[in-house]
Amino acid sequence: EAQVTQNPRYLITVTGKKLTVTCSQNMNHEYMSWYRQDPGLGLRQIYYSMNVEVTDKGDVPEGYKVSRKEKRNFPLILESPSPNQTSLYFCASAMGYQETQYFGPGTRLLVL
Amino acid sequence: DQQVKQNSPSLSVQEGRISILNCDYTNSMFDYFLWYKKYPAEGPTFLISISSIKDKNEDGRFTVFLNKSAKHLSLHIVPSQPGDSAVYFCAASASSGTYKYIFGTGTRLKVLA
Repeated sequence: EAQVTQNPRYLITVTGKKLTVTCSQNMNHEYMSWYRQDPGLGLRQIYYSMNVEVTDKGDVPEGYKVSRKEKRNFPLILESPSPNQTSLYFCASAMGYQETQYFGPGTRLLVL
Repeated sequence: DQQVKQNSPSLSVQEGRISILNCDYTNSMFDYFLWYKKYPAEGPTFLISISSIKDKNEDGRFTVFLNKSAKHLSLHIVPSQPGDSAVYFCAASASSGTYKYIFGTGTRLKVLA
């Protein structure tokens, strides 16, 4: 089944404790992206990747890192999480830019 | 500065009637627009898209209209069904420059049976 998977689905952590949210797709997509969803703010793009080893900032990249060492994986790294990064995070993938994006089920993160 | 705006946070419509969801944008470089639907506890799913070379695109009960001069797009759902109750996001992108997507804040549609 074609899908985008994210792990973990739920995470509670404390300020400053490094964490990684994994994202994997099995559709051989080139474009991958991370978004956060917050009440009243909609979906905001954090980072995107056009292909392996090609990443760039979205609208809200501060406090986040990404890597794209393999085509299928696009982990989101929070090196020193803060409470303002409490949010619902979505990973997405697409054949290319301006192609249909397929979203993962989301990761709900709470930073205390 | 919100480049993509959905000014109606919520909308209620009777089953069988038309639902019209609106979206405004400010960046004239945007040339590709999409609508996504989101149910609670799920990721957004693609609904319909439109390129700036068109002013209308239809897919079954869903039609998206684009008015480039007004920088406005709308999603029409006819007839509305209770299963259409969800949050709808519009999104915009530009084919030149960066490869980013800008999403609106969403409109929660409730279709009443």
